[in-house]
Amino acid sequence: DTAVSQTPKYLVTQMGNDKSIKCEQNLGHDTMYWYKQDSKKFLKIMFSYNNKELIINETVPNRFSPKSPDKAHLNLHINSLELGDSAVYFCASSQHGTDTQYFGPGTRLTVL
Amino acid sequence: GENVEQHPSTLSVQEGDSAVIKCTYSDSASNYFPWYKQELGKRPQLIIDIRSNVGEKKDQRIAVTLNKTAKHFSLHITETQPEDSAVYFCAAGDNFNKFYFGSGTKLNVKP
Repeated sequence: DTAVSQTPKYLVTQMGNDKSIKCEQNLGHDTMYWYKQDSKKFLKIMFSYNNKELIINETVPNRFSPKSPDKAHLNLHINSLELGDSAVYFCASSQHGTDTQYFGPGTRLTVL
Repeated sequence: GENVEQHPSTLSVQEGDSAVIKCTYSDSASNYFPWYKQELGKRPQLIIDIRSNVGEKKDQRIAVTLNKTAKHFSLHITETQPEDSAVYFCAAGDNFNKFYFGSGTKLNVKP
């Protein structure tokens, strides 16, 4: 019954590695998002996809590449991980940009 | 792009008192203003929202007001309880799937 799910929940890796975070929603929403929440709890939008098309691409290093194979999935691939990438990454979905966003449980990424 | 500012960053109140958190936004195209509550270690969850065609909305102890002219909106929590302690985020969205959060307010309700 999980509405928005993410895997993995925790991710610990070394600098320079490449990693992916997966997100799936079973709400039938057409818009999905990735957010980064840093240690100061600031929630910053990274990407927004509507019907598999990229709508928002904020100032994010091009080491971050989102991929949406279908409307229910939005994955985040990160190349050449850096210490500053350590944060909690939240996936979210909504029916429109002006509708309730439902968040996934978050993925805590720690780069050593 | 949109700029959402939120104040205060921390707020401490006595149980039973009211709490008010304020946000301002910059983009007049924004027309959806939700408020999210995030408890420690958990995901943000919607507690109340308001759209630009409404000036005020209330849900039990929680209310939100919107002043479109001044581009600001506020969250009001009455009769606060210890379980209201959390980080609260305001946000602003538009019809183009753009969505921006404020910097958060850590609310501490002292028993």
